Amino acid sequence: DIVMTQSPDSLAVSLGERATINCKSSQSVLYSSNNKNYLAWYQQKAGQPPQLLIYWASTREFGVPDRFSGSGSGTDFTLTISSLQAEDVAVYYCQQYYGTPETFGQGTKVEIK
Amino acid sequence: EVQLVESGGGLVQPGGSLRLSCAASGFTFSSYWMHWVRQAPGKGLVWVSRINSDGSSTNYADSVKGRFTISRDNAKNTLYLQMNSLRAEDTAVYYCARKTDGSGWWFDYWGQGTLVTVSS
Repeated sequence: DIVMTQSPDSLAVSLGERATINCKSSQSVLYSSNNKNYLAWYQQKAGQPPQLLIYWASTREFGVPDRFSGSGSGTDFTLTISSLQAEDVAVYYCQQYYGTPETFGQGTKVEIK
Repeated sequence: EVQLVESGGGLVQPGGSLRLSCAASGFTFSSYWMHWVRQAPGKGLVWVSRINSDGSSTNYADSVKGRFTISRDNAKNTLYLQMNSLRAEDTAVYYCARKTDGSGWWFDYWGQGTLVTVSS
């Protein structure tokens, strides 16, 4: 199985400041035939199911605010919240869909400082 | 509006069985692969099982293989997960999730989840 490791486990950021979450895969999730990274990001607020934010490592899902951005390739990826809002308090997960089974990172909890 | 509504969770003794259901609406259910993903209390997300659009192909996580069975009834727009020989470590919220259409394998819609507690 492809192991996904996120860092940090938690972070506290002031309102309006940048939050950066890292995700590393144990093997490349870049599919050479189409040059796409098979990686998604989800947001899970307390007591709610996960919600898709980003797929193909950097494509925002419809309706996701543009303060959320994804970057990276191969084995190293980043989710950035450019200006943290109160409603962004949540746990964020990366997920690879390159290999079976689909696997998730352990999650990163984002709080307000 | 896409909706996925799980039901069937509850308290069950170790070794017991439960069948979860996921009622789908707002999209052409028979055209989509569907998945079950679980989340133990305070823990992360773990993929459990998937089924293709017509029900002819299924896959399972090693941890549930031989104990869980995924199925679907496209006439009823419903996904199922039959869980047998339940263990304490199966305690979790179980989500049904829709695989996006096309070549990607991310989950674009999730249900609210149903809690399964395995305890004596």
